[in-house]
Amino acid sequence: DVKVTQSSRYLVKRTGEKVFLECVQDMDHENMFWYRQDPGLGLRLIYFSYDVKMKEKGDIPEGYSVSREKKERFSLILESASTNQTSMYLCASRQDVGNQPQHFGDGTRLSIL
Amino acid sequence: AQSVTQLGSHVSVSEGALVLLRCNYSSSVPPYLFWYVQYPNQGLQLLLKYTTGATLVKGINGFEAEFKKSETSFHLTKPSAHMSDAAEYFCAVSDPVGGTSYGKLTFGQGTILTVHP
Repeated sequence: DVKVTQSSRYLVKRTGEKVFLECVQDMDHENMFWYRQDPGLGLRLIYFSYDVKMKEKGDIPEGYSVSREKKERFSLILESASTNQTSMYLCASRQDVGNQPQHFGDGTRLSIL
Repeated sequence: AQSVTQLGSHVSVSEGALVLLRCNYSSSVPPYLFWYVQYPNQGLQLLLKYTTGATLVKGINGFEAEFKKSETSFHLTKPSAHMSDAAEYFCAVSDPVGGTSYGKLTFGQGTILTVHP
């Protein structure tokens, strides 16, 4: 089974802090994704990476950056956290072959005070 | 641009009743379609997917969905609801992989399913 592990289930930070969310997958997947989930809005794509050191903006990249130095790890960075970034963050990975689905971690619930 | 609409943010059924969760999509090319389920405090788990071939797709936990191109729909059904089916369900669409798609998903807003005894 594919395992996608997010480093924290719950995280509380303060406005203006630099925040790192980490995601690790154990299946040698090429593609990795970061989403935020808000009630009534479903999941929205922040950034994705199609291979090591490669990244592309998703639908809502403002206020975020990402890093993918190793294939198994994809980090989401909030450069200067703001209260409107309080949300559930979900990481996913996918094998870059045909119609393979995305596999999700359990999420990090981030609160910015 | 792709979009997904799930009709009904909340659906409530009795245990043993039919479950029907509606999903309509828009896509400029024949899409790949997915249903995911999210239990409380967990990530998303794949229920089923449609890519090509048979339009009636069977998934885990007794769920199935039918791709209807003429109606641009991919509704999720289960003949008999169980208490353990209570969760949030998401429909998602993806362009066929190729070019710069990389299997990116566009999600619907989600439908919370409640099952009453």
